[in-house]
Amino acid sequence: SQKIEQNSEALNIQEGKTATLTCNYTNYSPAYLQWYRQDPGRGPVFLLLIRENEKEKRKERLKVTFDTTLKQSLFHITASQPADSATYLCALDMTNQGGKLIFGQGTELSVKP
Amino acid sequence: NAGVTQTPKFRILKIGQSMTLQCTQDMNHNYMYWYRQDPGMGLKLIYYSVGAGITDKGEVPNGYNVSRSTTEDFPLRLELAAPSQTSVYFCASSYRGIKETQYFGPGTRLLVL
Repeated sequence: SQKIEQNSEALNIQEGKTATLTCNYTNYSPAYLQWYRQDPGRGPVFLLLIRENEKEKRKERLKVTFDTTLKQSLFHITASQPADSATYLCALDMTNQGGKLIFGQGTELSVKP
Repeated sequence: NAGVTQTPKFRILKIGQSMTLQCTQDMNHNYMYWYRQDPGMGLKLIYYSVGAGITDKGEVPNGYNVSRSTTEDFPLRLELAAPSQTSVYFCASSYRGIKETQYFGPGTRLLVL
């Protein structure tokens, strides 16, 4: 079955630097990959969706890449700010298994001033 | 729009008790989902619905039941609460399924003692 792995260790970076988070998957490549942000005690909030035929997607300071050869997506936050501190989740579609979405365990990002 | 609302916010149950977690969305979305999130883990899909009257199992459906009599409401029923059901439960909705953004509710924290 499809498995997703995100950086298990929390990521600590300095304000102004670029944060890079990794999402690796096994087996088949999904048609869609999504990234969500989750703050403590709250539900996830959608950030970006990238399709399998798109190598890169940008939204303001956010950039997502999708490499189907490496079976990996990278999520970048440029010019990071303390307000970017949160847990970031990647999610893949399971089109081959009924069209459900499966989530990684998330990576906790902490941006220090 | 209120988006996705969930009640209650927090509940303590005794082993063997039953309860219903409520979820309502006012975005006229066809698809609705129930997830559970254990500490440090990703979201696990419990049940989902593609429209009123249609529901299907997700990854972890055992011990839960759902119904979808209207587009707006998607309650989750726990019949015989067990300690393993201690978790945070999130309801989500989307317009046309996994190809699009999922909007999440604020979550219900459930403790089974």
